[in-house]
Amino acid sequence: KAGVTQTPRYLIKTRGQQVTLSCSPISGHRSVSWYQQTPGQGLQFLFEYFSETQRNKGNFPGRFSGRQFSNSRSEMNVSTLELGDSALYLCASSLGDGNYNEQFFGPGTRLTVL
Amino acid sequence: QKEVEQNSGPLSVPEGAIASLNCTYSDRVSQSFFWYRQYSGKSPELIMSIYSNGDKEDGRFTAQLNKASQYVSLLIRDSQPSDSATYLCAPKGKYGNKLVFGAGTILRVKS
Repeated sequence: KAGVTQTPRYLIKTRGQQVTLSCSPISGHRSVSWYQQTPGQGLQFLFEYFSETQRNKGNFPGRFSGRQFSNSRSEMNVSTLELGDSALYLCASSLGDGNYNEQFFGPGTRLTVL
Repeated sequence: QKEVEQNSGPLSVPEGAIASLNCTYSDRVSQSFFWYRQYSGKSPELIMSIYSNGDKEDGRFTAQLNKASQYVSLLIRDSQPSDSATYLCAPKGKYGNKLVFGAGTILRVKS
């Protein structure tokens, strides 16, 4: 079974631009969560989508948004990029609902904002 | 108080020894607990999950959970240089799949 895929793997943008990142979960998984990882803040939860609905949201500004499609693929968008948005963006795939779902991470998208 | 606390390390152990990694969490409603391993420049890899008080063993790994003390640990037996990585503790709350990560413990296994 194929794992979680994320595209692109690397991105370089300039301040003020916007960016869209894509995540394809493991086949059959209906939940996709997004995380930001930086050296200073560690791994922080951005949001979770389940069956095309945002179910949880972390403490990030409204510039960070996401969506999920009917095939469970998800995208996240960051508008008006700031230098501090430079990070590794990870998506995690999970089977669905329930307390005991394990989450599996994709390889991540490394975003650099200049 | 941080939601999830881990000693940042580095924790250095000789090859073949037992590495003990600890984690405390503040959210009493956490239901599930996960340990991830992250090599430098890579994404986190799930290595253990535990849901009930007590021990859970999988190969060289043993996870221990004590919900009353809000404490979870990971033991790695017969540590190998390939175990050198950052280990992340992540409790999951009651609703949804949000994981709250600790800062991670850097483990170094010396050959």
